[in-house]
Amino acid sequence: AAGVIQSPRHLIKEKRETATLKCYPIPRHDTVYWYQQGPGQDPQFLISFYEKMQSDKGSIPDRFSAQQFSDYHSELNMSSLELGDSALYFCASSLDRGNYGYTFGSGTRLTVV
Amino acid sequence: GIQVEQSPPDLILQEGANSTLRCNFSDSVNNLQWFHQNPWGQLINLFYIPSGTKQNGRLSATTVATERYSLLYISSSQTTDSGVYFCAVERVNGNQFYFGTGTSLTVIP
Repeated sequence: AAGVIQSPRHLIKEKRETATLKCYPIPRHDTVYWYQQGPGQDPQFLISFYEKMQSDKGSIPDRFSAQQFSDYHSELNMSSLELGDSALYFCASSLDRGNYGYTFGSGTRLTVV
Repeated sequence: GIQVEQSPPDLILQEGANSTLRCNFSDSVNNLQWFHQNPWGQLINLFYIPSGTKQNGRLSATTVATERYSLLYISSSQTTDSGVYFCAVERVNGNQFYFGTGTSLTVIP
């Protein structure tokens, strides 16, 4: 079965650079969520989209933005990167706003140096 | 938000032993999932279990929604079971997951 695809798997950026993470949800899933997991931490919710509209917003810094496109894939754009942005970034997708559970991608490990 | 507490925070088992992991949550939920995060960081969905009991091989889970807790049972543990186990919940009328702080499991040969 198709899963949630995230790219790239690993990314190394320097401070103040920008990064774009991509997420391709499971076909026919209408909701996408982004989570950030710092070292030794539990995943923290950043933002979600339902039917291409922003649905909910968590602890997402103003330097970050995200959108969901017409084909339902989503991109998380991160600017003016800081060392503290180094983390594992997960995307998850669901059908009908999570009423059938969430499926997580394998994550993108971002390292800011 | 909703508070999600997991216990124990750390667990070391001898291979072949059984264990029970607990997840308590502070509000009514319509979605609860257990995940295993392997040493490579991947979050593997174990159970979607907002209520009731499910079993999958050596793993089983029970959620008692009215009492706001869920249990994950691991029987005959193997070294490959090592990693962090997360419980995550979604409130009724909510649309985001709240993760617990996890249980770090180490299974030694």
